[in-house]
Amino acid sequence: DSGVTQTPKHLITATGQRVTLRCSPRSGDLSVYWYQQSLDQGLQFLIQYYNGEERAKGNILERFSAQQFPDLHSELNLSSLELGDSALYFCASSVVPTSTDTQYFGPGTRLTVL
Amino acid sequence: AQKVTQAQTEISVVEKEDVTLDCVYETRDTTYYLFWYKQPPSGELVFLIRRNSFDEQNEISGRYSWNFQKSTSSFNFTITASQVVDSAVYFCALSRVDSNYQLIWGAGTKLIIKP
Repeated sequence: DSGVTQTPKHLITATGQRVTLRCSPRSGDLSVYWYQQSLDQGLQFLIQYYNGEERAKGNILERFSAQQFPDLHSELNLSSLELGDSALYFCASSVVPTSTDTQYFGPGTRLTVL
Repeated sequence: AQKVTQAQTEISVVEKEDVTLDCVYETRDTTYYLFWYKQPPSGELVFLIRRNSFDEQNEISGRYSWNFQKSTSSFNFTITASQVVDSAVYFCALSRVDSNYQLIWGAGTKLIIKP
């Protein structure tokens, strides 16, 4: 158990809908990362937050948004969902926001868009 | 350019065999970190190891060992006496020092251990 929690574990929804994925980082970690992993693909970095502020953006679509709250949990909002958004979404956390620090991953949320 | 190459897309071995997963990287940085993660069929990503570029000592943890060679820009991972539970996709990653501060990920190697 990495100490990073993600809810829900599974999510099935329809095209055009909006969903919210939730992540709680490990105790003491200030930085949160969101990744997308599509079928048979590697990890695509979406966005990073550090202590409530957006730190870095990757290949995140405009239909997606995220935020980190004062208690350091983070939410990833996906709207106007398309079939291609079906994927495993991971949250990771680290103490400091640089890539030299180890990122610990949550169990992931498997999103299926029908 | 910074890059991580895991040339082995899939490896299949019989249980108890030793297996080595290759990771070759490119970077301009003098200080960097390398990571290995395991993704079993259940889907979670499990951190295995983090290695600083200044520490070239090999690391051993039980049946797992890592061989870091700066001269060949490689950070290979060996599983000794493989077990079915080792079946997973293994990812190698490299830290980067630029404005984005994100990890550079290899494509992963799928390891299948047959009983």
